[in-house]
Amino acid sequence: DAMVIQNPRYQVTQFGKPVTLSCSQTLNHNVMYWYQQKSSQAPKLLFHYYDKDFNNEADTPDNFQSRRPNTSFCFLDIRSPGLGDAAMYLCATSRARLSSTDTQYFGPGTRLTVL
Amino acid sequence: GEDVEQSLFLSVREGDSSVINCTYTDSSSTYLYWYKQEPGAGLQLLTYIFSNMDMKQDQRLTVLLNKKDKHLSLRIADTQTGDSAIYFCAESKNTGGFKTIFGAGTRLFVKA
Repeated sequence: DAMVIQNPRYQVTQFGKPVTLSCSQTLNHNVMYWYQQKSSQAPKLLFHYYDKDFNNEADTPDNFQSRRPNTSFCFLDIRSPGLGDAAMYLCATSRARLSSTDTQYFGPGTRLTVL
Repeated sequence: GEDVEQSLFLSVREGDSSVINCTYTDSSSTYLYWYKQEPGAGLQLLTYIFSNMDMKQDQRLTVLLNKKDKHLSLRIADTQTGDSAIYFCAESKNTGGFKTIFGAGTRLFVKA
């Protein structure tokens, strides 16, 4: 039944040690998004893919990269995690551009802890 | 600029109505959304309203929009303990883009 799946749900990494978070979807949606959500803050869009086209938000740090090898999967790579990167990372999908009929479907999130 | 603001906490008794408020700054926003996030889960879309509407009702949920004041509210009638969650207000534009701007969320506590 799960439509947007994120693995792992909890990830612990060490300061500076690269980490990859995974997202998969069974909806066959064209667009996949990654958001960062810090405690008691709004989810913040990092980037999105429309099919294979990658779109980075202007204020997303270079430390964050993404890969989308196929329609179903999208990865978030954090090259050198800092303490400030500890957050919940949310993956979302939409069929197309956002509108009244094309809204976002969110995964449960991966909570990243940086030691 | 783009900014969505919400109060952080709301506490109500079971059976009462809850009203969660939100203000936004971007007058060109066309779609306004309410999402619910339960512990350990992702955001779930509850309802949305077009900017050319004043009100939308969906079962226990009523959304009111005051465009002049850029104020959006979500009323939950007969609030239940299962309604305890974080509620996010969000906006996006009619350009059919990809960006949704979220508020920081209102944590609703429902006391039995």
